[in-house]
Amino acid sequence: QKEVEQNSGPLSVPEGAIASLNCTYSDRGSQSFFWYRQYSGKSPELIMFIYSNGDKEDGRFTAQLNKASQYVSLLIRDSQPSDSATYLCAVNPHYKLSFGAGTTVTVRA
Amino acid sequence: EAGVTQFPSHSVIEKGQTVTLRCDPISGHDNLYWYRRVMGKEIKFLLHFVKESKQDESGMPNNRFLAERTGGTYSTLKVQPAELEDSGVYFCASSQGVTGELFFGEGSRLTVL
Repeated sequence: QKEVEQNSGPLSVPEGAIASLNCTYSDRGSQSFFWYRQYSGKSPELIMFIYSNGDKEDGRFTAQLNKASQYVSLLIRDSQPSDSATYLCAVNPHYKLSFGAGTTVTVRA
Repeated sequence: EAGVTQFPSHSVIEKGQTVTLRCDPISGHDNLYWYRRVMGKEIKFLLHFVKESKQDESGMPNNRFLAERTGGTYSTLKVQPAELEDSGVYFCASSQGVTGELFFGEGSRLTVL
């Protein structure tokens, strides 16, 4: 079983729509959860982190965490072409990140 | 403020040769990490420095890999001798605290022929 699994994608959404990204993790001791965005050939960039159950909103991004279900998600509202990238879910069970394989999102203009 | 810089951006070497990758973290960041992504796989943790000390090197694949961080500033990752399976993108990241809020470099792509 992989430590972090993401919906495989690729995910194509029209401009202005909501993109929904899902992630599950195996280590119940995980306490912190991150979403990184990576443009092709560029460095991963942290866009959201969440530590507590529930929702956390930052601009057009909302992270959702359910520790009982070992599930974390990212919603991108009003998707823009500039949101086209690979989104990496990362979990930090022992002070080192475990990454999912990433979900590639394409926003169609 | 300068970000995390890595050099070289791309290296192509023959199997059995040696390659040294360099990472300059953000100034003031005591924590420095090396990660690697091989083709089609997830980004995997290699090791973690706090200042000049190795805190966790549990992700290092084998003893062909040697990481150093002299004086707690820049870090090098040497692969000697390189094997075909070492091909991938090596990312360096740094942070102030021991959290998952990391600042990544753009990576060094290593191709072993």
